[in-house]
Amino acid sequence: SQQGEEDPQALSIQEGENATMNCSYKTSINNLQWYRQNSGRGLVHLILIRSNEREKHSGRLRVTLDTSKKSSSLLITASRAADTASYFCATDGTSFKTIFGAGTRLFVKA
Amino acid sequence: DTAVSQTPKYLVTQMGNDKSIKCEQNLGHDTMYWYKQDSKKFLKIMFSYNNKELIINETVPNRFSPKSPDKAHLNLHINSLELGDSAVYFCASSQGTSKNIQYFGAGTRLSVL
Repeated sequence: SQQGEEDPQALSIQEGENATMNCSYKTSINNLQWYRQNSGRGLVHLILIRSNEREKHSGRLRVTLDTSKKSSSLLITASRAADTASYFCATDGTSFKTIFGAGTRLFVKA
Repeated sequence: DTAVSQTPKYLVTQMGNDKSIKCEQNLGHDTMYWYKQDSKKFLKIMFSYNNKELIINETVPNRFSPKSPDKAHLNLHINSLELGDSAVYFCASSQGTSKNIQYFGAGTRLSVL
């Protein structure tokens, strides 16, 4: 079964609005990462949050982690058309595996 | 300079053929991966090598055989291609295990006709 599952599956917003994506996972983790994938491209790392951290910022990105609820959220503030992409959370499950969720497809309308 | 490069970018072939995808990274990383992304964008680990040693070997058909001639290269050979093998295959690398940040190639879109 999947370790990370994103919600919603798809999100459509206007430029300038904030976008929030959620990720839930099943087992204990050491860290959780968020990646972005533009259409037809590979994944690009955005941010990593460790299990002992609750919140992390990087530019317009804010990530929260709630290990008691086994969930994380990614907030993109003041979205731009260029933020249109799929966003994946990834957790370091057992052994050496990174488990990716199915992603949230974000569409930002100009 | 592309950090993780894979070739070819597109691969169209007939059922039953054998094909290879090559991957090279110039980041000096010691761990490399192959992922398969299906039509629903679900990304699944297939193999991982650390210092040329196979450390992850997921439940994939044995028609898929990875080869790592050195730390900078990880190739994927697929025998007797089937329709269900159509997908995008991504190579990635990291320093250390998958707990660390992974850098992805642009993907190889494989279409089996």
